[in-house]
Amino acid sequence: RKEVEQDPGPFNVPEGATVAFNCTYSNSASQSFFWYRQDCRKEPKLLMSVYSSGNEDGRFTAQLNRASQYISLLIRDSKLSDSATYLCVVTRGGNKLTFGTGTQLKVEL
Amino acid sequence: DGGITQSPKYLFRKEGQNVTLSCEQNLNHDAMYWYRQDPGQGLRLIYYSQIVNDFQKGDIAEGYSVSREKKESFPLTVTSAQKNPTAFYLCASRGTGLGTEAFFGQGTRLTVV
Repeated sequence: RKEVEQDPGPFNVPEGATVAFNCTYSNSASQSFFWYRQDCRKEPKLLMSVYSSGNEDGRFTAQLNRASQYISLLIRDSKLSDSATYLCVVTRGGNKLTFGTGTQLKVEL
Repeated sequence: DGGITQSPKYLFRKEGQNVTLSCEQNLNHDAMYWYRQDPGQGLRLIYYSQIVNDFQKGDIAEGYSVSREKKESFPLTVTSAQKNPTAFYLCASRGTGLGTEAFFGQGTRLTVV
C-alpha cells in the first residue's frame, strides 16, 4: 500500500461547481499535512496547510480526520484558473515529506 | 530575493555519462530534498538531508548520489547506473517546525539520449 494515496483523476467540472478531493495516508505517526498545487510543467506551490480543526482560505476548505487517516480539499465556485494538479503531502518524523500522485482538475466553461 | 535555485533548467546528456544537478537555497533552511517526477506521475523522493553532512535515502535512491557539504547547497548526481534517468527533477527546502511548508526550485528537465 502506498504511503499517501489520492483520488484518481482527472476531474472535469463546469465553472462554478464544487469539487472535493480526498487523500488517505497509511502511517498513523504522520504529523503535518498540506495541499500543494502544481501547474503543467511547473514546480509545486503550497495551496494550504491542513490543521486538525479544519481550515478555510477563501473558496478552499481543508479537513483532517486523524482517526480515519485522511485529508480532504473542497473547492467551491470553481474557476478556470483552478485547473491544475492538486498534490496531497504528508510529513512524519525526521522531516520526510511524502507526496501523493496528485489529482488533476480541469474546470471547463 | 530569498529562494531556491536549480540549474540548469534543461539538460541533455548522452547515455552512460554522469551528470550533476545544482540546487542552492538562501532561505537558511536545514532540510533539503530531491524529487523525481515522470509525466503524469507524482513526486517520488530520491534523497533528503536534514542537516549539513547528513542525508538519507528516499524511495528511489538507486543510481543517484548526493552531498551536503554546505547548508545552502544540495547537489544531485545522476549516475550511469540509473536505468531511466530522463525526468523532471525538483529540489525543495524546508525550515524547522512541524507545520512548515516546503519551497521548490523551478526544476531541471533532464533528457538522456
